[in-house]
Amino acid sequence: AQKVTQAQTEISVVEKEDVTLDCVYETRDTTYYLFWYKQPPSGELVFLIRRNSFDEQNEISGRYSWNFQKSTSSFNFTITASQVVDSAVYFCALPPGSSNTGKLIFGQGTTLQVKP
Amino acid sequence: DTGVSQDPRHKITKRGQNVTFRCDPISEHNRLYWYRQTLGQGPEFLTYFQNEAQLEKSRLLSDRFSAERPKGSFSTLEIQRTEQGDSAMYLCASSLATGPEGETQYFGPGTRLLVL
Repeated sequence: AQKVTQAQTEISVVEKEDVTLDCVYETRDTTYYLFWYKQPPSGELVFLIRRNSFDEQNEISGRYSWNFQKSTSSFNFTITASQVVDSAVYFCALPPGSSNTGKLIFGQGTTLQVKP
Repeated sequence: DTGVSQDPRHKITKRGQNVTFRCDPISEHNRLYWYRQTLGQGPEFLTYFQNEAQLEKSRLLSDRFSAERPKGSFSTLEIQRTEQGDSAMYLCASSLATGPEGETQYFGPGTRLLVL
């Protein structure tokens, strides 16, 4: 069965530091998608990225970057030069199977606190 | 571009009362999902619709829970005879599923339920 593990419960950094959030997943599928969502204190889950398992290239979007390592089943998320507005809970997620990309299986989340 | 909206944003009720939540998805999206999130946890899947058809229900969805999506547009989630254990954030998401490609779910702001 699909499983997502985010071992870091809470991370605290000072503004402008770089921070990496870890995500390790388990799946029996050969084709799958991985997601990251951000949940600020307001509660709404904000979509950040979707990655197909065929595409192992790292992705960069502004201060955000993602490192997908199929060999270690990891999909880590790095924020460069963190800002106070990055403070939120971040979730990694995986659909249950390649034939039905319905529900998402979420990790426990990592709470990131960026201090000024 | 209008996102997913949910109403109400907050609900306080007494144990034993019935409550109903509404979700309005992004207009062209054919799939609609309900999740429940308790404090410190990731969202957990409850049920989803493709157009007006309810295609999957989680075992978390007891007989007291019912969801509808008449005409494939907005959806309602009703909880009958609420219990204190129902206290949680109820999240709605929608997506456009057009084929075997992965879909991306976009979430609403959630309805926070407190059962006294």
